[in-house]
Amino acid sequence: DAKTTQPNSMESNEEEPVHLPCNHSTISGTDYIHWYRQLPSQGPEYVIHGLTSNVNNRMASLAIAEDRKSSTLILHRATLRDAAVYYCILRGFNAGGTSYGKLTFGQGTILTVHP
Amino acid sequence: DAGITQSPRHKVTETGTPVTLRCHQTENHRYMYWYRQDPGHGLRLIHYSYGVKDTDKGEVSDGYSVSRSKTEDFLLTLESATSSQTSVYFCAITDDRNQPQHFGDGTRLSIL
Repeated sequence: DAKTTQPNSMESNEEEPVHLPCNHSTISGTDYIHWYRQLPSQGPEYVIHGLTSNVNNRMASLAIAEDRKSSTLILHRATLRDAAVYYCILRGFNAGGTSYGKLTFGQGTILTVHP
Repeated sequence: DAGITQSPRHKVTETGTPVTLRCHQTENHRYMYWYRQDPGHGLRLIHYSYGVKDTDKGEVSDGYSVSRSKTEDFLLTLESATSSQTSVYFCAITDDRNQPQHFGDGTRLSIL
Protein backbone atom coordinates (compact mmCIF):
# COMPACT_ATOMS: atom_id res chain seq x y z
CA ASP A 1 0.00 0.00 0.00
CA ALA A 2 1.20 3.51 -0.80
CA LYS A 3 2.27 5.45 2.28
CA THR A 4 0.94 8.74 3.60
CA THR A 5 2.70 11.26 5.83
CA GLN A 6 0.83 13.52 8.21
CA PRO A 7 1.93 15.84 11.01
CA ASN A 8 1.60 14.24 14.42
CA SER A 9 -0.48 17.07 15.82
CA MET A 10 -2.08 20.42 15.00
CA GLU A 11 -3.93 23.03 16.96
CA SER A 12 -6.72 25.39 16.05
CA ASN A 13 -9.08 27.86 17.62
CA GLU A 14 -12.80 27.41 17.56
CA GLU A 15 -14.61 28.90 14.54
CA GLU A 16 -11.37 29.24 12.57
CA PRO A 17 -10.56 27.24 9.44
CA VAL A 18 -8.24 24.25 9.76
CA HIS A 19 -6.05 22.87 7.00
CA LEU A 20 -4.80 19.34 7.63
CA PRO A 21 -2.04 18.31 5.20
CA CYS A 22 -1.20 14.87 3.87
CA ASN A 23 1.73 13.88 1.66
CA HIS A 24 1.48 10.81 -0.55
CA SER A 25 4.29 11.05 -3.08
CA THR A 26 4.03 7.38 -4.14
CA ILE A 27 0.32 7.50 -4.95
CA SER A 28 -0.74 5.44 -7.95
CA GLY A 29 -3.19 6.45 -10.64
CA THR A 30 -6.02 4.34 -9.22
CA ASP A 31 -5.57 5.35 -5.57
CA TYR A 32 -8.38 7.31 -4.00
CA ILE A 33 -7.56 9.66 -1.11
CA HIS A 34 -9.79 8.95 1.87
CA TRP A 35 -10.07 10.86 5.13
CA TYR A 36 -11.47 9.44 8.32
CA ARG A 37 -11.49 10.86 11.80
CA GLN A 38 -11.76 9.24 15.20
CA LEU A 39 -13.26 11.05 18.13
CA PRO A 40 -12.25 9.95 21.64
CA SER A 41 -13.70 6.56 22.60
CA GLN A 42 -15.46 6.12 19.25
CA GLY A 43 -14.86 4.22 16.06
CA PRO A 44 -13.43 5.94 12.98
CA GLU A 45 -15.85 8.09 11.03
CA TYR A 46 -15.72 8.66 7.28
CA VAL A 47 -15.14 12.31 6.35
CA ILE A 48 -14.51 12.61 2.62
CA HIS A 49 -12.70 11.06 -0.32
CA GLY A 50 -11.58 12.01 -3.80
CA LEU A 51 -9.48 11.01 -6.79
CA THR A 52 -8.34 14.10 -8.70
CA SER A 53 -10.77 16.97 -8.34
CA ASN A 54 -11.45 18.93 -5.19
CA VAL A 55 -14.43 17.62 -3.26
CA ASN A 56 -16.87 19.22 -0.86
CA ASN A 57 -19.43 17.75 1.49
CA ARG A 58 -21.28 18.86 4.58
CA MET A 59 -18.37 17.98 6.83
CA ALA A 60 -15.32 19.25 5.00
CA SER A 61 -13.53 20.01 1.75
CA LEU A 62 -10.71 18.04 0.18
CA ALA A 63 -8.15 19.89 -1.90
CA ILE A 64 -5.96 17.65 -4.07
CA ALA A 65 -2.73 18.89 -5.62
CA GLU A 66 -2.51 18.80 -9.37
CA ASP A 67 0.22 16.14 -9.27
CA ARG A 68 -1.77 14.23 -6.60
CA LYS A 69 1.27 13.91 -4.37
CA SER A 70 -0.38 15.82 -1.58
CA SER A 71 -3.81 16.77 -0.35
CA THR A 72 -5.38 18.98 2.32
CA LEU A 73 -8.47 18.38 4.39
CA ILE A 74 -10.19 21.67 5.13
CA LEU A 75 -12.54 22.19 8.04
CA HIS A 76 -14.09 25.56 7.31
CA ARG A 77 -15.04 26.48 10.86
CA ALA A 78 -13.61 24.27 13.55
CA THR A 79 -15.79 23.39 16.51
CA LEU A 80 -14.86 21.67 19.75
CA ARG A 81 -16.53 18.55 18.37
CA ASP A 82 -13.93 18.46 15.57
CA ALA A 83 -11.17 17.60 18.04
CA ALA A 84 -10.13 14.13 16.90
CA VAL A 85 -7.44 12.08 15.21
CA TYR A 86 -7.60 12.58 11.44
CA TYR A 87 -6.40 9.82 9.14
CA CYS A 88 -5.40 10.24 5.51
CA ILE A 89 -5.61 6.89 3.70
CA LEU A 90 -4.87 5.83 0.14
CA ARG A 91 -7.18 3.18 -1.16
CA GLY A 92 -6.89 1.55 -4.55
CA PHE A 93 -9.98 1.10 -6.66
CA ASN A 94 -10.89 -2.60 -6.83
CA ALA A 95 -12.62 -3.40 -10.08
CA GLY A 96 -12.86 -7.10 -9.36
CA GLY A 97 -11.02 -10.10 -8.07
CA THR A 98 -10.58 -11.02 -4.46
CA SER A 99 -9.45 -7.70 -3.06
CA TYR A 100 -11.56 -6.71 -0.14
CA GLY A 101 -11.40 -2.95 0.25
CA LYS A 102 -9.02 -2.93 3.18
CA LEU A 103 -8.30 0.37 4.89
CA THR A 104 -4.75 0.84 6.15
CA PHE A 105 -4.63 3.36 8.97
CA GLY A 106 -1.44 5.22 9.89
CA GLN A 107 -0.93 7.26 13.04
CA GLY A 108 -2.93 10.25 11.85
CA THR A 109 -2.93 13.88 13.03
CA ILE A 110 -4.23 14.74 16.47
CA LEU A 111 -6.27 17.93 16.11
CA THR A 112 -6.79 20.04 19.22
CA VAL A 113 -9.42 22.78 19.08
CA HIS A 114 -9.20 25.59 21.62
CA PRO A 115 -12.32 27.48 22.78
CA ASP B 1 -25.54 6.80 11.45
CA ALA B 2 -25.09 3.32 10.07
CA GLY B 3 -26.86 0.70 12.17
CA ILE B 4 -23.95 -1.18 13.68
CA THR B 5 -23.98 -2.63 17.18
CA GLN B 6 -20.99 -4.27 18.80
CA SER B 7 -21.36 -6.43 21.87
CA PRO B 8 -20.18 -6.56 24.49
CA ARG B 9 -18.79 -3.02 24.73
CA HIS B 10 -16.37 -4.01 27.50
CA LYS B 11 -15.06 -7.37 28.61
CA VAL B 12 -12.43 -8.56 31.05
CA THR B 13 -11.42 -12.19 30.94
CA GLU B 14 -8.55 -14.50 31.79
CA THR B 15 -5.84 -15.98 29.62
CA GLY B 16 -6.86 -19.24 28.02
CA THR B 17 -10.60 -18.63 28.00
CA PRO B 18 -12.63 -18.45 24.77
CA VAL B 19 -14.12 -15.09 23.84
CA THR B 20 -16.66 -14.20 21.17
CA LEU B 21 -17.37 -10.66 20.03
CA ARG B 22 -20.46 -9.87 18.00
CA CYS B 23 -21.04 -7.31 15.29
CA HIS B 24 -24.65 -6.80 14.30
CA GLN B 25 -25.81 -4.59 11.41
CA THR B 26 -29.23 -3.50 10.24
CA GLU B 27 -28.07 -2.08 6.88
CA ASN B 28 -28.02 -5.33 4.87
CA HIS B 29 -24.46 -4.50 3.76
CA ARG B 30 -22.45 -7.19 2.04
CA TYR B 31 -18.98 -6.50 3.46
CA MET B 32 -18.07 -6.69 7.13
CA TYR B 33 -14.66 -6.27 8.73
CA TRP B 34 -12.99 -6.76 12.09
CA TYR B 35 -10.11 -4.47 13.07
CA ARG B 36 -8.07 -4.14 16.24
CA GLN B 37 -6.56 -0.91 17.48
CA ASP B 38 -3.47 -0.79 19.65
CA PRO B 39 -1.25 2.13 20.68
CA GLY B 40 1.51 2.66 18.13
CA HIS B 41 -0.13 0.44 15.49
CA GLY B 42 -3.26 2.22 14.36
CA LEU B 43 -6.10 0.00 13.16
CA ARG B 44 -5.18 -3.37 11.67
CA LEU B 45 -7.48 -5.72 9.79
CA ILE B 46 -8.08 -9.13 11.41
CA HIS B 47 -10.67 -10.79 9.19
CA TYR B 48 -13.31 -9.72 6.74
CA SER B 49 -16.42 -11.13 5.11
CA TYR B 50 -17.72 -10.56 1.60
CA GLY B 51 -21.00 -12.44 2.06
CA VAL B 52 -22.77 -15.06 4.12
CA LYS B 53 -20.31 -17.86 4.88
CA ASP B 54 -17.63 -16.07 2.82
CA THR B 55 -14.74 -14.91 4.97
CA ASP B 56 -11.01 -14.40 4.61
CA LYS B 57 -7.98 -13.41 6.63
CA GLY B 58 -6.58 -9.95 7.12
CA GLU B 59 -3.10 -8.95 8.17
CA VAL B 60 -3.26 -10.03 11.84
CA SER B 61 -5.49 -13.11 11.79
CA ASP B 62 -3.43 -15.52 13.91
CA GLY B 63 -5.34 -16.57 17.03
CA TYR B 64 -8.70 -15.39 15.65
CA SER B 65 -11.55 -17.06 13.80
CA VAL B 66 -14.76 -15.62 12.39
CA SER B 67 -18.16 -16.76 11.26
CA ARG B 68 -20.97 -15.21 9.31
CA SER B 69 -24.08 -17.41 9.15
CA LYS B 70 -26.42 -14.56 8.23
CA THR B 71 -26.02 -11.16 6.64
CA GLU B 72 -26.52 -9.14 9.78
CA ASP B 73 -24.07 -10.87 12.14
CA PHE B 74 -20.30 -11.23 12.02
CA LEU B 75 -18.71 -13.01 14.97
CA LEU B 76 -15.07 -12.79 16.02
CA THR B 77 -13.78 -15.61 18.25
CA LEU B 78 -10.61 -15.86 20.26
CA GLU B 79 -10.37 -19.62 20.84
CA SER B 80 -7.90 -19.28 23.71
CA ALA B 81 -7.34 -15.66 24.66
CA THR B 82 -3.83 -14.37 25.30
CA SER B 83 -2.68 -11.12 26.89
CA SER B 84 -1.40 -9.93 23.49
CA GLN B 85 -5.00 -9.86 22.32
CA THR B 86 -5.88 -7.13 24.80
CA SER B 87 -7.07 -4.40 22.49
CA VAL B 88 -9.99 -2.35 21.24
CA TYR B 89 -11.88 -4.18 18.51
CA PHE B 90 -13.87 -2.40 15.82
CA CYS B 91 -16.34 -3.75 13.36
CA ALA B 92 -16.96 -1.99 10.04
CA ILE B 93 -19.43 -2.47 7.21
CA THR B 94 -19.87 -1.34 3.63
CA ASP B 95 -22.13 -2.24 0.76
CA ASP B 96 -19.40 -1.75 -1.85
CA ARG B 97 -15.71 -2.42 -1.26
CA ASN B 98 -14.84 0.83 -3.05
CA GLN B 99 -17.13 2.91 -0.86
CA PRO B 100 -16.48 4.24 2.66
CA GLN B 101 -16.67 1.92 5.61
CA HIS B 102 -18.87 2.65 8.59
CA PHE B 103 -17.56 1.66 11.99
CA GLY B 104 -19.12 0.56 15.23
CA ASP B 105 -18.22 2.05 18.59
CA GLY B 106 -15.81 -0.72 19.50
CA THR B 107 -15.33 -3.41 22.13
CA ARG B 108 -12.66 -2.90 24.74
CA LEU B 109 -11.24 -6.33 25.61
CA SER B 110 -8.82 -6.88 28.49
CA ILE B 111 -7.19 -10.28 28.97
CA LEU B 112 -5.50 -10.76 32.30
